[in-house]
Amino acid sequence: DAGVTQSPTHLIKTRGQQVTLRCSPKSGHDTVSWYQQALGQGPQFIFQYYEEEERQRGNFPDRFSGHQFPNYSSELNVNALLLGDSALYLCASRKGLAGITGELFFGEGSRLTVL
Amino acid sequence: DAKTTQPPSMDCAEGRAANLPCNHSTISGNEYVYWYRQIHSQGPQYIIHGLKNNETNEMASLIITEDRKSSTLILPHATLRDTAVYYCIVRVGNSGNTPLVFGKGTRLSVIA
Repeated sequence: DAGVTQSPTHLIKTRGQQVTLRCSPKSGHDTVSWYQQALGQGPQFIFQYYEEEERQRGNFPDRFSGHQFPNYSSELNVNALLLGDSALYLCASRKGLAGITGELFFGEGSRLTVL
Repeated sequence: DAKTTQPPSMDCAEGRAANLPCNHSTISGNEYVYWYRQIHSQGPQYIIHGLKNNETNEMASLIITEDRKSSTLILPHATLRDTAVYYCIVRVGNSGNTPLVFGKGTRLSVIA
């Protein structure tokens, strides 16, 4: 049973460029969340997708956008990259929105370096 | 902002119990305590969660004080593979779309 898979694992961009990161949720999961983790910090919530709609959003600018596809996979897009966008981007999945289910399954992340 | 306070780092001898404390003095009645850990270069991994009763699973035990203002995660026999950053998170339990709010966690080093 494949867990959460993310691609690419590493990438380097320059300031002003755009980047797209991809995530396939764990089998049976339909809700995808994205987190940004700067070096030495805990992950910070970006947004959550369910039924192809953004359901929750953290304190991130509009340069950060996303999409969820009918097969539940998801993309994170970041436009006009800044040096401060350098971070590990984590995708997490779960089944459904409601409930007390504890487990949120995380992928191993995509490490973005902006030069 | 994270609603929890954790020590930045702790050491534990291999084979001994690791006791990781967490303060959450402003916890509300409908908020659960969750623990995740993040091994270097990996995504966070769920460990355990609880509301007010002590909980145990194959990975760890969670002890929550009676007033629910603090809790302790116990790894009964720490191994080198338990070296990781451990995050204590409080979250409303009956709303699955409430995001997890991570602090900086506790960096646990298990020493041979």
